[in-house]
Amino acid sequence: DAGVIQSPRHEVTEMGQEVTLRCKPISGHDYLFWYRQTMMRGLELLIYFNNNVPIDDSGMPEDRFSAKMPNASFSTLKIQPSEPRDSAVYFCASSPPQTGGANVLTFGAGSRLTVL
Amino acid sequence: SQQGEEDPQALSIQEGENATMNCSYKTSINNLQWYRQNSGRGLVHLILIRSNEREKHSGRLRVTLDTSKKSSSLLITASRAADTASYFCATDGTGRRALTFGSGTRLQVQP
Repeated sequence: DAGVIQSPRHEVTEMGQEVTLRCKPISGHDYLFWYRQTMMRGLELLIYFNNNVPIDDSGMPEDRFSAKMPNASFSTLKIQPSEPRDSAVYFCASSPPQTGGANVLTFGAGSRLTVL
Repeated sequence: SQQGEEDPQALSIQEGENATMNCSYKTSINNLQWYRQNSGRGLVHLILIRSNEREKHSGRLRVTLDTSKKSSSLLITASRAADTASYFCATDGTGRRALTFGSGTRLQVQP
């Protein structure tokens, strides 16, 4: 398996522009997570899905952020309009159906977003 | 706020020495995990310890868990330059699939 695939790896955009980050989870994994990493706040959970259904979006900063998972092999995180404070590395991770109570995440390489 | 806080924030050692990192957390957990992140990369799972376990080994890694103190430690023995990375603890909780990550320890192993 190619692992969790994220695109783009790097994006530089101007304030006010729409940003769309994409993620392809590992086949067979039924959970998908979006995290954001910054120096100041560390790794923050934004939202996670189970079987394509959003389970917890309490970490989504505000209405400018939205996430979708139209099918088991694809998810998007959209920021509209983007602001400089959204600059961060955004990670997608997936995990398989829970076995023995353990939930091990496999992370993608991340999408580094810079908003000027 | 971060569920887990790690110390030290940064650690610099020589190759061959042992590295110990500590993690504290706030709420009840089912499991505690440790992940590694190389610069510019995603996190990689290293080891998992369940709440009813006290110690676990995997190769050069040794993890301990003290649920009464809500703390865990990760020991890397005989460190190598390739161990240079950031290390994060992560916890889950009852009814919650998502992991909450600590603030991380940056480890530098000098060759």
